[in-house]
Amino acid sequence: NAGVTQTPKFQVLKTGQSMTLQCAQDMNHNSMYWYRQDPGMGLRLIYYSASEGTTDKGEVPNGYNVSRLNKREFSLRLESAAPSQTSVYFCASSAETVSGNTIYFGEGSWLTVV
Amino acid sequence: GENVEQHPSTLSVQEGDSAVIKCTYSDSASNYFPWYKQELGKGPQLIIDIRSNVGEKKDQRIAVTLNKTAKHFSLHITETQPEDSAVYFCAASFTGNQFYFGTGTSLTVIP
Repeated sequence: NAGVTQTPKFQVLKTGQSMTLQCAQDMNHNSMYWYRQDPGMGLRLIYYSASEGTTDKGEVPNGYNVSRLNKREFSLRLESAAPSQTSVYFCASSAETVSGNTIYFGEGSWLTVV
Repeated sequence: GENVEQHPSTLSVQEGDSAVIKCTYSDSASNYFPWYKQELGKGPQLIIDIRSNVGEKKDQRIAVTLNKTAKHFSLHITETQPEDSAVYFCAASFTGNQFYFGTGTSLTVIP
């Protein structure tokens, strides 16, 4: 019953450093997402992938890149971290059903850029 | 695009009382409305959802109502308990991959 697993849980970066957040789901979902969560702003979509091999920008894609490595894995990369990218990041995946999609979240990755 | 507004941002209730959180959406094409509960340090968990062909859905102490004409939907929690304390998010979706979230309501249930 792992669901959506993301690593690392916590990370501190210096401005300009790069890092990759890893995400994997074991529910055989086609769609995967990366969101960031900031106080008072809810969940904002960074990138999503509707299927293996495809990715699309969300609401706040600047400063990020993603890779849909296979059906299970969807990674988020910060090439040159900035303090404005200090946030909590959530990976998610969604199940397609006859009546629509339901989205499931991972436990989150707390990133601080100093 | 879709715009989801959620109120109130904070809510305190006495244990045993009811709590109501309201959301409005802007795009009449939205047809799926999930609610998520997020406990401190954890990811959002789906607690209930409703689709546009239904006006109300209940699951034990939790219910969601949808008014498509007015474009608003609400979460109702009855007989609140301290473990209901969390942040609650509403969302609206009208395509398979686009979910638009409210800004969250921090619910505190006072024992």
